[in-house]
Amino acid sequence: KNEVEQSPQNLTAQEGEFITINCSYSVGISALHWLQQHPGGGIVSLFMLSSGKKKHGRLIATINIQEKHSSLHITASHPRDSAVYICAAWNYGGSQGNLIFGKGTKLSVKP
Amino acid sequence: DAGVTQSPTHLIKTRGQHVTLRCSPISGHKSVSWYQQVLGQGPQFIFQYYEKEERGRGNFPDRFSARQFPNYSSELNVNALLLGDSALYLCASSLGGRSRNSPLHFGNGTRLTVT
Repeated sequence: KNEVEQSPQNLTAQEGEFITINCSYSVGISALHWLQQHPGGGIVSLFMLSSGKKKHGRLIATINIQEKHSSLHITASHPRDSAVYICAAWNYGGSQGNLIFGKGTKLSVKP
Repeated sequence: DAGVTQSPTHLIKTRGQHVTLRCSPISGHKSVSWYQQVLGQGPQFIFQYYEKEERGRGNFPDRFSARQFPNYSSELNVNALLLGDSALYLCASSLGGRSRNSPLHFGNGTRLTVT
Protein backbone atom coordinates (compact mmCIF):
# COMPACT_ATOMS: atom_id res chain seq x y z
CA LYS A 1 0.00 0.00 0.00
CA ASN A 2 1.38 3.41 -0.97
CA GLU A 3 1.87 5.90 1.82
CA VAL A 4 -0.02 8.52 -0.21
CA GLU A 5 -3.09 7.33 -2.08
CA GLN A 6 -5.11 9.38 -4.55
CA SER A 7 -8.52 8.77 -6.00
CA PRO A 8 -9.80 8.59 -8.58
CA GLN A 9 -6.93 7.69 -10.88
CA ASN A 10 -8.76 9.07 -13.90
CA LEU A 11 -11.66 11.50 -14.03
CA THR A 12 -13.69 12.78 -16.95
CA ALA A 13 -16.10 15.66 -16.40
CA GLN A 14 -18.31 17.96 -18.42
CA GLU A 15 -17.52 21.63 -18.46
CA GLY A 16 -19.14 23.35 -15.48
CA GLU A 17 -19.17 20.32 -13.19
CA PHE A 18 -17.90 20.38 -9.60
CA ILE A 19 -14.87 18.14 -9.24
CA THR A 20 -13.34 16.50 -6.16
CA ILE A 21 -10.02 14.71 -6.01
CA ASN A 22 -9.08 12.89 -2.82
CA CYS A 23 -5.76 12.19 -1.14
CA SER A 24 -5.22 9.95 1.87
CA TYR A 25 -1.92 9.42 3.62
CA SER A 26 -0.69 6.97 6.22
CA VAL A 27 2.40 8.78 7.51
CA GLY A 28 2.83 11.73 9.83
CA ILE A 29 3.21 14.86 7.78
CA SER A 30 4.20 18.46 8.30
CA ALA A 31 2.55 19.73 5.13
CA LEU A 32 0.73 18.54 2.04
CA HIS A 33 1.09 19.95 -1.47
CA TRP A 34 -1.35 19.89 -4.35
CA LEU A 35 0.39 20.13 -7.70
CA GLN A 36 -0.85 20.48 -11.28
CA GLN A 37 1.04 19.01 -14.21
CA HIS A 38 0.10 19.76 -17.79
CA PRO A 39 1.15 17.64 -20.78
CA GLY A 40 4.77 18.49 -21.54
CA GLY A 41 5.82 18.20 -17.92
CA GLY A 42 5.55 21.63 -16.31
CA ILE A 43 4.49 21.40 -12.66
CA VAL A 44 2.73 24.20 -10.85
CA SER A 45 2.20 24.25 -7.11
CA LEU A 46 -1.47 24.96 -6.39
CA PHE A 47 -1.60 24.76 -2.60
CA MET A 48 0.51 23.93 0.40
CA LEU A 49 -1.56 22.97 3.44
CA SER A 50 -0.81 22.07 7.01
CA SER A 51 -4.32 22.58 8.35
CA GLY A 52 -7.77 23.80 7.44
CA LYS A 53 -8.78 25.10 4.05
CA LYS A 54 -7.38 27.31 1.30
CA LYS A 55 -9.07 28.87 -1.71
CA HIS A 56 -7.65 30.33 -4.88
CA GLY A 57 -10.08 31.30 -7.59
CA ARG A 58 -12.12 28.22 -8.51
CA LEU A 59 -9.83 25.89 -6.58
CA ILE A 60 -10.35 24.88 -2.96
CA ALA A 61 -8.13 22.57 -0.91
CA THR A 62 -8.95 21.12 2.47
CA ILE A 63 -7.08 18.93 4.88
CA ASN A 64 -8.20 16.94 7.92
CA ILE A 65 -5.13 16.10 9.96
CA GLN A 66 -6.97 13.72 12.31
CA GLU A 67 -8.40 11.70 9.42
CA LYS A 68 -5.18 12.01 7.34
CA HIS A 69 -7.16 13.12 4.33
CA SER A 70 -7.09 16.03 1.92
CA SER A 71 -9.35 17.03 -0.94
CA LEU A 72 -8.94 19.29 -3.94
CA HIS A 73 -12.14 20.78 -5.33
CA ILE A 74 -12.60 22.57 -8.64
CA THR A 75 -15.79 24.57 -9.06
CA ALA A 76 -17.25 25.37 -12.50
CA SER A 77 -14.67 23.19 -14.24
CA HIS A 78 -13.29 24.25 -17.60
CA PRO A 79 -11.42 22.37 -20.34
CA ARG A 80 -8.26 24.30 -19.42
CA ASP A 81 -8.38 22.52 -16.03
CA SER A 82 -7.50 19.29 -17.86
CA ALA A 83 -4.23 18.12 -16.33
CA VAL A 84 -2.77 15.64 -13.87
CA TYR A 85 -3.29 16.63 -10.24
CA ILE A 86 -0.81 15.27 -7.73
CA CYS A 87 -0.77 15.39 -3.96
CA ALA A 88 2.53 15.15 -2.15
CA ALA A 89 3.14 14.90 1.59
CA TRP A 90 6.17 16.12 3.50
CA ASN A 91 7.16 13.46 6.03
CA TYR A 92 9.79 14.70 8.47
CA GLY A 93 11.85 12.48 10.76
CA GLY A 94 14.17 14.56 12.91
CA SER A 95 15.86 17.06 10.62
CA GLN A 96 15.48 14.93 7.50
CA GLY A 97 12.48 15.08 5.24
CA ASN A 98 10.99 12.95 2.50
CA LEU A 99 8.38 14.21 0.06
CA ILE A 100 6.03 11.34 -0.80
CA PHE A 101 3.94 11.66 -3.97
CA GLY A 102 0.61 10.18 -4.87
CA LYS A 103 0.29 8.60 -8.31
CA GLY A 104 -1.77 11.49 -9.62
CA THR A 105 -5.30 11.97 -10.92
CA LYS A 106 -5.69 12.58 -14.62
CA LEU A 107 -8.55 15.03 -15.16
CA SER A 108 -10.16 15.59 -18.53
CA VAL A 109 -12.85 18.27 -18.78
CA LYS A 110 -14.96 18.05 -21.93
CA PRO A 111 -16.57 21.16 -23.47
CA ASP B 1 11.67 37.85 -11.58
CA ALA B 2 13.28 34.77 -13.05
CA GLY B 3 11.75 31.48 -12.05
CA VAL B 4 13.62 28.28 -11.31
CA THR B 5 16.00 27.58 -14.18
CA GLN B 6 17.41 24.19 -15.07
CA SER B 7 20.12 23.25 -17.52
CA PRO B 8 20.43 21.60 -19.88
CA THR B 9 16.86 21.13 -21.10
CA HIS B 10 17.66 17.90 -22.92
CA LEU B 11 20.55 15.48 -22.65
CA ILE B 12 21.46 12.18 -24.26
CA LYS B 13 24.01 9.91 -22.57
CA THR B 14 25.12 6.31 -22.95
CA ARG B 15 25.07 3.64 -20.28
CA GLY B 16 27.94 3.88 -17.82
CA GLN B 17 28.50 7.59 -18.33
CA HIS B 18 28.15 10.28 -15.73
CA VAL B 19 25.81 13.29 -15.88
CA THR B 20 25.55 16.61 -14.04
CA LEU B 21 22.30 18.56 -13.99
CA ARG B 22 22.07 22.13 -12.76
CA CYS B 23 19.42 24.20 -11.05
CA SER B 24 19.22 27.87 -10.12
CA PRO B 25 16.54 28.73 -7.56
CA ILE B 26 14.33 31.76 -7.40
CA SER B 27 16.15 34.69 -5.86
CA GLY B 28 15.75 34.57 -2.08
CA HIS B 29 14.99 30.87 -1.98
CA LYS B 30 17.47 28.88 0.07
CA SER B 31 16.09 25.37 -0.39
CA VAL B 32 16.40 23.25 -3.51
CA SER B 33 14.93 19.81 -4.07
CA TRP B 34 15.31 17.30 -6.89
CA TYR B 35 12.79 14.85 -8.36
CA GLN B 36 12.83 12.10 -10.96
CA GLN B 37 9.80 11.52 -13.14
CA VAL B 38 9.85 8.48 -15.36
CA LEU B 39 7.52 8.70 -18.36
CA GLY B 40 3.95 7.89 -17.38
CA GLN B 41 4.61 7.97 -13.64
CA GLY B 42 4.46 10.53 -10.87
CA PRO B 43 7.54 12.33 -9.57
CA GLN B 44 9.84 10.63 -7.08
CA PHE B 45 11.72 12.67 -4.48
CA ILE B 46 15.51 12.41 -4.70
CA PHE B 47 17.07 15.08 -2.46
CA GLN B 48 16.39 18.28 -0.61
CA TYR B 49 19.12 20.76 0.29
CA TYR B 50 18.97 23.80 2.53
CA GLU B 51 21.89 26.09 3.31
CA LYS B 52 24.24 23.63 1.58
CA GLU B 53 23.18 20.76 3.83
CA GLU B 54 21.17 17.71 2.86
CA ARG B 55 17.81 17.88 4.60
CA GLY B 56 15.97 15.09 2.83
CA ARG B 57 16.71 11.97 0.82
CA GLY B 58 14.47 9.65 -1.13
CA ASN B 59 15.01 5.99 -1.93
CA PHE B 60 17.70 6.31 -4.61
CA PRO B 61 21.04 4.46 -4.92
CA ASP B 62 24.38 6.03 -4.05
CA ARG B 63 24.96 6.64 -7.76
CA PHE B 64 22.82 9.73 -7.20
CA SER B 65 24.41 12.63 -5.36
CA ALA B 66 23.84 16.35 -5.11
CA ARG B 67 25.26 19.46 -3.63
CA GLN B 68 24.23 23.05 -3.04
CA PHE B 69 26.52 26.01 -3.53
CA PRO B 70 26.86 29.24 -1.49
CA ASN B 71 24.66 31.04 -4.03
CA TYR B 72 21.99 28.34 -3.37
CA SER B 73 22.22 26.85 -6.85
CA SER B 74 22.46 23.09 -6.96
CA GLU B 75 23.84 20.21 -8.99
CA LEU B 76 22.51 16.69 -9.26
CA ASN B 77 25.07 14.08 -10.27
CA VAL B 78 24.32 10.59 -11.49
CA ASN B 79 27.16 8.10 -12.00
CA ALA B 80 27.24 4.85 -13.97
CA LEU B 81 24.06 5.67 -15.86
CA LEU B 82 21.53 2.92 -16.47
CA LEU B 83 18.79 2.80 -19.07
CA GLY B 84 16.29 3.13 -16.23
CA ASP B 85 17.70 6.52 -15.33
CA SER B 86 16.02 7.95 -18.42
CA ALA B 87 13.51 10.43 -17.04
CA LEU B 88 12.54 14.04 -16.58
CA TYR B 89 14.56 15.47 -13.71
CA LEU B 90 12.80 18.31 -11.94
CA CYS B 91 14.19 20.86 -9.56
CA ALA B 92 12.10 22.96 -7.18
CA SER B 93 13.03 25.81 -4.90
CA SER B 94 11.38 27.12 -1.77
CA LEU B 95 12.19 29.53 1.04
CA GLY B 96 13.21 26.71 3.38
CA GLY B 97 14.44 27.09 6.95
CA ARG B 98 11.69 28.12 9.33
CA SER B 99 9.55 28.32 6.20
CA ARG B 100 10.33 24.69 5.38
CA ASN B 101 6.66 24.15 4.61
CA SER B 102 6.67 26.97 2.06
CA PRO B 103 5.31 26.38 -1.45
CA LEU B 104 7.49 24.71 -4.07
CA HIS B 105 8.37 26.42 -7.34
CA PHE B 106 9.33 24.01 -10.09
CA GLY B 107 11.65 24.40 -13.02
CA ASN B 108 10.78 22.99 -16.44
CA GLY B 109 13.08 20.04 -15.96
CA THR B 110 15.91 18.30 -17.77
CA ARG B 111 14.92 15.44 -20.05
CA LEU B 112 17.66 12.77 -19.77
CA THR B 113 17.78 9.93 -22.24
CA VAL B 114 20.18 7.07 -21.60
CA THR B 115 20.93 4.84 -24.60
